[in-house]
Amino acid sequence: KAGVTQTPRYLIKTRGQQVTLSCSPISGHRSVSWYQQTPGQGLQFLFEYFSETQRNKGNFPGRFSGRQFSNSRSEMNVSTLELGDSALYLCASSLGEEHYGYTFGSGTRLTVV
Amino acid sequence: AQTVTQSQPEMSVQEAETVTLSCTYDTSESDYYLFWYKQPPSRQMILVIRQEAYKQQNATENRFSVNFQKAAKSFSLKISDSQLGDAAMYFCAYKPPDSGYALNFGKGTSLLVTP
Repeated sequence: KAGVTQTPRYLIKTRGQQVTLSCSPISGHRSVSWYQQTPGQGLQFLFEYFSETQRNKGNFPGRFSGRQFSNSRSEMNVSTLELGDSALYLCASSLGEEHYGYTFGSGTRLTVV
Repeated sequence: AQTVTQSQPEMSVQEAETVTLSCTYDTSESDYYLFWYKQPPSRQMILVIRQEAYKQQNATENRFSVNFQKAAKSFSLKISDSQLGDAAMYFCAYKPPDSGYALNFGKGTSLLVTP
């Protein structure tokens, strides 16, 4: 059974550009969530999608957005990149039942220069 | 907002020994979920163990067990018979009820396992 797949694994962008990250969940998983991980702030929740609808959103500016497609694949977009957006972005999927917990991908390392 | 505190930035344990990682959290909810995740250098977060707050019994998964003290809002992880492969960052996470999957993580504890 394939795990959660995130592409690309590494990305270097210039300040002011925009970026799109992709996440393919485990087959059958309907919930996809995104987290930002930095040395200073740790792991912070960005947003969660369930059956193509955003169910939850963290405390991030509107430059951060996402969407989920009918096959449960999800994309995360960051516009007008800032140096502080450099981070590991982790995607996680779940069946949607509360007690199961997440399965995480290996993340996309974004560096903004 | 709920906060999760891991007071030990780094811990060290010898192979085959037992180590306990601490986690405290702050919440006014009575029903919630708690998790321990492991993040090795491969970066992938791996679920180690989970606990539902309404269950009195401490969760156990092979060499991993928790000491859940609801009144004290404490959720420590005990690793028995430590192995070299246990070396990683360990994160404690809290999930409130009816929040979808918005996990609130602690800052993590780096566990070093020495031969």
